[in-house]
Amino acid sequence: SAVISQKPSRDICQRGTSLTIQCQVDSQVTMMFWYRQQPGQSLTLIATANQGSEATYESGFVIDKFPISRPNLTFSTLTVSNLSPEDSSIYLCSVDVTPLKEQYFGPGTRLTVT
Amino acid sequence: GDSVTQMEGPVTLSEEAFLTINCTYTATGYPSLFWYVQYPGEGLQLLLKATKADDKGSNKGFEATYRKETTSFHLEKGSVQVSDSAVYFCALSGYALNFGKGTSLLVTP
Repeated sequence: SAVISQKPSRDICQRGTSLTIQCQVDSQVTMMFWYRQQPGQSLTLIATANQGSEATYESGFVIDKFPISRPNLTFSTLTVSNLSPEDSSIYLCSVDVTPLKEQYFGPGTRLTVT
Repeated sequence: GDSVTQMEGPVTLSEEAFLTINCTYTATGYPSLFWYVQYPGEGLQLLLKATKADDKGSNKGFEATYRKETTSFHLEKGSVQVSDSAVYFCALSGYALNFGKGTSLLVTP
């Protein structure tokens, strides 16, 4: 398994500003993922962050809105830019630690945009 | 594309009742299947998994069997407790995880 921490755990942000979420893992992992969980909904994959290369974004998510950094094998950041109330969600990072696609999740960052 | 369908919630049960949460999937190839649980105010925790047909995953009294012939992975528990109240997500492995919509379970004393 892996222990994953996220900062901040929650934040309230003004419309038009940005929030950067940090994800730290206690071991080196190749693949890190960022998901969004809108209120009362399931999880939607935003992008995959691989060290040493640009993130791969899913349909409907773009780099200008959700820039991602992956400077090393234990850390990643997701920025949610130009915030609107529709961005109010829980953002979760996860890591894939085995070839069997067993993923472990961080505790999430609850974002509220006013 | 790959997809997961879960039964709609919320599900409300009395303590010690039998639980079944249905999950069916559509996939090409042979994915691994998972159940995750999200307790109130917390992140997702891996509950159990199965990696091939006829595998049974089990943890904390919960079980699920990978049924290729019916493309199902139903979650069961023989006697639920109040502490099992949570949202349960069925998921299958692909490039990343493909989640169902989640089923909310409330267990009352």
